[in-house]
Amino acid sequence: QKEVEQNSGPLSVPEGAIASLNCTYSDRGSQSFFWYRQYSGKSPELIMSIYSNGDKEDGRFTAQLNKASQYVSLLIRDSQPSDSATYLCAAGGGAGNMLTFGGGTRLMVKP
Amino acid sequence: SAVISQKPSRDICQRGTSLTIQCQVDSQVTMMFWYRQQPGQSLTLIATANQGSEATYESGFVIDKFPISRPNLTFSTLTVSNMSPEDSSIYLCSVYDGGGEQFFGPGTRLTVL
Repeated sequence: QKEVEQNSGPLSVPEGAIASLNCTYSDRGSQSFFWYRQYSGKSPELIMSIYSNGDKEDGRFTAQLNKASQYVSLLIRDSQPSDSATYLCAAGGGAGNMLTFGGGTRLMVKP
Repeated sequence: SAVISQKPSRDICQRGTSLTIQCQVDSQVTMMFWYRQQPGQSLTLIATANQGSEATYESGFVIDKFPISRPNLTFSTLTVSNMSPEDSSIYLCSVYDGGGEQFFGPGTRLTVL
């Protein structure tokens, strides 16, 4: 059974701080990893993908992957109230890149 | 990324009835997926919609309850049959763009009374 685990939160950070979201996965065969942002009442929006060990930066977002530890993280710098949402971690691999989703972490950024 | 639309965006249905949800993509895609998101929960994959062949269902989901059609590379439907209140969820279609990423449609919010 493939599993992706996330702390459900809520994770509360002040505006301007760094938010750190974490995720672990059970399937060592997973090859690709994704972070989706989901606002309440909306569908998930892809914000980051990462495929190899190390860091990947895109604007205020940095994804980190450590395959040896089966660990993925997302850092959000200069957090804004508009970043308040649920962040879903997903792991994929194999034909069609079937995804397994974690339960999501709710982030609250306080002004 | 592909532009994905779903119809209806929401519906309220009576138990025992069926609802068909449509998913339209603005470009041809090889793989389309249907997910369910129950209230306060994460996403669960229902099935992979295969063009020209029967859908591939995940454990716990069966064709009689969730029949799926995929007549071409831009369109798919999911039917929720003989509905009960436990089927109240958001149903999402997603597409795999071949470049390693999946994108979601806006979802259909279903309430069963």
